[in-house]
Amino acid sequence: KNQVEQSPQSLIILEGKNCTLQCNYTVSPFSNLRWYKQDTGRGPVSLTIMTFSENTKSNGRYTATLDADTKQSSLHITASQLSDSASYICVVIRSNDYKLSFGAGTTVTVRA
Amino acid sequence: EAGVTQFPSHSVIEKGQTVTLRCDPISGHDNLYWYRRVMGKEIKFLLHFVKESKQDESGMPNNRFLAERTGGTYSTLKVQPAELEDSGVYFCASSQIGLTYEQYFGPGTRLTVT
Repeated sequence: KNQVEQSPQSLIILEGKNCTLQCNYTVSPFSNLRWYKQDTGRGPVSLTIMTFSENTKSNGRYTATLDADTKQSSLHITASQLSDSASYICVVIRSNDYKLSFGAGTTVTVRA
Repeated sequence: EAGVTQFPSHSVIEKGQTVTLRCDPISGHDNLYWYRRVMGKEIKFLLHFVKESKQDESGMPNNRFLAERTGGTYSTLKVQPAELEDSGVYFCASSQIGLTYEQYFGPGTRLTVT
């Protein structure tokens, strides 16, 4: 079983609407959590990074939250644009070896 | 600054053939990682180089996979002989020395074994 679970697997939203992606993890010991955006044909690009003590981090229209007690994170996209269509991947980094554990990703499709 | 580059972007080969993937990291990045994403699954770690040395190859699936990083610059990942289950997207990432620095990913090589 993957140690990083994401939901939903995919979603379709209309341009201008908001959406929230979920990430639950069991990775331990915890160092930090990143959300990546992967456009088709491109490699993943980091959107946000959150350490244990941070519970909210924003990057433009992207806002990530982290609850280290329940081991849950979310990524909220505000006022979606067509360019937000991509796969969003939750990645948890362990503090003992700094290895990356990836979720399977959520595919977001924004329609005009 | 140029990002991580990978070649080829796509490769279609028959079962039993050999394929070599190449990764050029960001200049000055001593850490180089290979990952693989099988369709519908999460990205998984294959191995980690520090300069020319293999630091961790615990994710390599079997001895049909051989990774090299001669001179500590670019890296190659050879699959010989390829099997159907080797199909997927192979990503390379690089980072500065030390384990806490952000990894920058290349665009990946999509490998299809028929």
